[in-house]
Amino acid sequence: DTAVSQTPKYLVTQMGNDKSIKCEQNLGHDTMYWYKQDSKKFLKIMFSYNNKELIINETVPNRFSPKSPDKAHLNLHINSLELGDSAVYFCASSPTTTGWNGYTFGSGTRLTVV
Amino acid sequence: AQSVSQHNHHVILSEAASLELGCNYSYGGTVNLFWYVQYPGQHLQLLLKYFSGDPLVKGIKGFEAEFIKSKFSFNLRKPSVQWSDTAEYFCAGYMDTGRRALTFGSGTRLQVQP
Repeated sequence: DTAVSQTPKYLVTQMGNDKSIKCEQNLGHDTMYWYKQDSKKFLKIMFSYNNKELIINETVPNRFSPKSPDKAHLNLHINSLELGDSAVYFCASSPTTTGWNGYTFGSGTRLTVV
Repeated sequence: AQSVSQHNHHVILSEAASLELGCNYSYGGTVNLFWYVQYPGQHLQLLLKYFSGDPLVKGIKGFEAEFIKSKFSFNLRKPSVQWSDTAEYFCAGYMDTGRRALTFGSGTRLQVQP
């Protein structure tokens, strides 16, 4: 039973489209995150939610909008996709508000914009 | 600003060679440190972590790391690498600055040749 699951695993789409990535965790953790991993493997935090409340909102385009219907789910919706959005997006969760004891990561969603 | 840096971007070793990957952080306060591994095409998995106490931390798969406070370092070591250790390795830190998220280094790609 996967602890942090993301769907889809792969997503190929055309520029200008709108797409969503879903994340669910069954660990009972309070905090969930979205990270973007670029082609050089650099991990950059995008958002975090604690029990449905937005905690971190880094400098990302407004086209990216997270939604957390409950503390076990954190979805990422992207409008008007651009070539530069191509990356691997990782969801992660932590049992603490701050993440001080580390994360559990999902398997990632490889987004390719053509 | 607080940061985590990994100076080795790409390391190539032969099987049975010893490994040491560097990690340095820049923060004078309390810090929790982690090493994560990302096998090709997979998600990040926790190798080991340091919170306090014994500065020599042992993790999974024969890896260990040593926290040296005076050097602001948390280097990862393994006495004898295997081909299956080929992966990307990330150092990460939680620093009690109020940021409420882990800060990741840029990663080190380890390639083990048979």
